[in-house]
Amino acid sequence: DTEVTQTPKHLVMGMTNKKSLKCEQHMGHRAMYWYKQKAKKPPELMFVYSYEKLSINESVPSRFSPECPNSSLLNLHLHALQPEDSALYLCASSQGGSRQPQHFGDGTRLSIL
Amino acid sequence: DAKTTQPNSMESNEEEPVHLPCNHSTISGTDYIHWYRQLPSQGPEYVIHGLTSNVNNRMASLAIAEDRKSSTLILHRATLRDAAVYYCILTPRGSGGSNYKLTFGKGTLLTVNP
Repeated sequence: DTEVTQTPKHLVMGMTNKKSLKCEQHMGHRAMYWYKQKAKKPPELMFVYSYEKLSINESVPSRFSPECPNSSLLNLHLHALQPEDSALYLCASSQGGSRQPQHFGDGTRLSIL
Repeated sequence: DAKTTQPNSMESNEEEPVHLPCNHSTISGTDYIHWYRQLPSQGPEYVIHGLTSNVNNRMASLAIAEDRKSSTLILHRATLRDAAVYYCILTPRGSGGSNYKLTFGKGTLLTVNP
């Protein structure tokens, strides 16, 4: 069991749908992250939130919209996605800073029809 | 960002030690060396990290070369559960957002034979 909980575990959506991925942690971590992982590839950073403010956006298309409502929750809102956006979306949290380990959830497997 | 080089795959037998190498010849003096692993159908899992000295924890040991241009992750007795992709990652100890980034390379796929 991981300390970072992601829901749903699987999601299938059409290109015109709007959906949201959710991530929750109760470790008191101040930094939260979204990563994208395509099949047989390493994870790639998408967004970083620090103290509930967006700190890094790795030039992610606007059809992905992150939100951090409070220090324990992180959402990723999805709209008008493309088939190539099908991937495993991973959430992570940490105390922040390069020395602190990141704790990952098991991801949401997203399929775009 | 400084890059790392790892073998694509390695194989081990159960209950034997495993030494996973990582080359990072362009490492800067303030970069931390992190190791994560990813088991099938799971998110990455932190294993260990270090700066200059060798490190031990309940999962593994990290041996860092004196010039810091390479490191080795040591699993003392491999189990079937250790079969995973192992990632060696450098994290810059700077200010601002850069010190939050984990840039994953291709990693090493470890197969453990029973």
